[in-house]
Amino acid sequence: GQNIDQPTEMTATEGAIVQINCTYQTSGFNGLFWYQQHAGEAPTFLSYNVLDGLEEKGRFSSFLSRSKGYSYLLLKELQMKDSASYLCAVWGGGSYIPTFGRGTSLIVHP
Amino acid sequence: DVKVTQSSRYLVKRTGEKVFLECVQDMDHENMFWYRQDPGLGLRLIYFSYDVKMKEKGDIPEGYSVSREKKERFSLILESASTNQTSMYLCASSSGTSSYNSPLHFGNGTRLTVT
Repeated sequence: GQNIDQPTEMTATEGAIVQINCTYQTSGFNGLFWYQQHAGEAPTFLSYNVLDGLEEKGRFSSFLSRSKGYSYLLLKELQMKDSASYLCAVWGGGSYIPTFGRGTSLIVHP
Repeated sequence: DVKVTQSSRYLVKRTGEKVFLECVQDMDHENMFWYRQDPGLGLRLIYFSYDVKMKEKGDIPEGYSVSREKKERFSLILESASTNQTSMYLCASSSGTSSYNSPLHFGNGTRLTVT
């Protein structure tokens, strides 16, 4: 099986940088995804990591260390609209089904 | 862009009613999923399908059934709705196989209230 752990809630200031961590345990590893979900809306895909290292996409970057079972999502130049829940999802080996973490609720304040 | 469309955004049903939630995707994806999302519990998989007429139980299939007669359409059925099935229901699709995974693309969700 798979186990994913992320903080429940984080707060940050507009314009700052925030790092949301995700640790996982899985038998086999096929990839890790990050999703953003605004209140009352569907999750939207942010990033995908399958190899170790940093993937950068504009203000958002995602990092993966497979040996440590660890990923983080880095959000720079925070904006109020970044207030949302951020979900980490892991694919284990031989599975069609990702396992989702419970999400980290990020609150950005002025 | 992948489009996953759920037939209803909000739905109110009575206890004991049979409820159909419809989902259609337009990208020829093999895999389709039904999740429910509740505060503090995250996303929980109800059923998924990796091909037409194929279905597999997820973590919480009790009280639900599914139908996939065509590749683009995946229906969730609540045989006899109960108040504990009040939730946000999310449909998703992907093109992955068991050895290669692509992102799940989600529909906008159906907020079901059972009274």
